[in-house]
Amino acid sequence: GAGVSQSPRYKVAKRGQDVALRCDPISGHVSLFWYQQALGQGPEFLTYFQNEAQLDKSGLPSDRFFAERPEGSVSTLKIQRTQQEDSAVYLCASSLGLGTGPRNYGYTFGSGTRLTVV
Amino acid sequence: QKEVEQNSGPLSVPEGAIASLNCTYSDRGSQSFFWYRQYSGKSPELIMSIYSNGDKEDGRFTAQLNKASQYVSLLIRDSQPSDSATYLCAVPYSSASKIIFGSGTRLSIRP
Repeated sequence: GAGVSQSPRYKVAKRGQDVALRCDPISGHVSLFWYQQALGQGPEFLTYFQNEAQLDKSGLPSDRFFAERPEGSVSTLKIQRTQQEDSAVYLCASSLGLGTGPRNYGYTFGSGTRLTVV
Repeated sequence: QKEVEQNSGPLSVPEGAIASLNCTYSDRGSQSFFWYRQYSGKSPELIMSIYSNGDKEDGRFTAQLNKASQYVSLLIRDSQPSDSATYLCAVPYSSASKIIFGSGTRLSIRP
């Protein structure tokens, strides 16, 4: 697609409910990232995929958070037993390539999913 | 010390003046540096990238990099009200593929 597409745009979940957030990256972008952005803060890294391989999940805050990208394109971020502290905007980004130096092209972000846990 | 540091602002600049946004980073191995602009309620948008020491100009925007001082800045000339946004400094880890973002500087251009 022309851009990174995320759905739903907004999600209200009751505490304890499981949620699934979807990301459809730009076609041909092998790298996909999930970030969490709290109000007034910069995006915080959650996890990174290169094609279908999850190469870094060091930012996932607990074992309630799980991400997958089974066919190397669409990715899903799942949060089990949501808590109020999970309320944030979840941003997905994709990139043509990564690494150090000029091969790092930066990201293109999707519009995000605003999760509110009540 | 945070890995990428920015003043949170708000930074208020009169219309037509130069806005100067600053960022310091801790990873000496970093080689790529990015500035993102984020309007309220919107996702970050990449506006500048810089890889070499010195200045890089793109329209009204100039990015400046000093690797020895671990410092990167963004200058916005002839500031316009539409430049009012939060500006995020972003630096990839040299040892990993993730980009670390600063907390952002909120810029307000007053007419």
